Amino acid sequence: DTEVTQTPKHLVMGMTNKKSLKCEQHMGHRAMYWYKQKAKKPPELMFVYSYEKLSINESVPSRFSPECPNSSLLNLHLHALQPEDSALYLCASGALTGRTSETVRQETQYFGPGTRLLVL
Amino acid sequence: AQSVAQPEDQVNVAEGNPLTVKCTYSVSGNPYLFWYVQYPNRGLQFLLKYITGDNLVKGSYGFEAEFNKSQTSFHLKKPSALVSDSALYFCAVRDKGDYKLSFGAGTTVTVRA
Repeated sequence: DTEVTQTPKHLVMGMTNKKSLKCEQHMGHRAMYWYKQKAKKPPELMFVYSYEKLSINESVPSRFSPECPNSSLLNLHLHALQPEDSALYLCASGALTGRTSETVRQETQYFGPGTRLLVL
Repeated sequence: AQSVAQPEDQVNVAEGNPLTVKCTYSVSGNPYLFWYVQYPNRGLQFLLKYITGDNLVKGSYGFEAEFNKSQTSFHLKKPSALVSDSALYFCAVRDKGDYKLSFGAGTTVTVRA
């Protein structure tokens, strides 16, 4: 089973709201990712967690705040977003069978269905 | 810098005909290459990957890809396309930064009945 689930499927929020996106996987994967995708464009990496620690932050604005409460869950907290933040937000996970650079690069990322976010 | 290029924005084929989606790559180390498909309003689905070994990689839904080191290519192929194969296809390479997956711009495939 290579399922990554994301909730909610759709979200509409105002620029002053605070909301959270949730991602869950039960495959025992120890790497989890947040991506942002605009229509017909490739996903853009936002954050990477490995072994529940933030490994990569791709210079994402502070209005996006990731959290990894445990090895199965990944949240993305949203606050004071702008209309240009409207996009499909994708979560992914990867197995991390080892800690060497080569094994990390070989692992497959499995994506969830995404949350479609509209900021008004 | 590590990168992939998908030279075609759009590929149109008739159902039953062979389908090829092109991808070329540029890496400084060992190439780790992936293909993903995205159906409308869905997330990305993993199709196949090349790590090492056999240059012909078989994946999901009857897709395969051929790794060609001399041409630095990793083209996705399907012998007989289905209308249900109509989707957005992404080639990706693992960046030198370990975790980062660098995607091509994507190719929209339309299979007409």
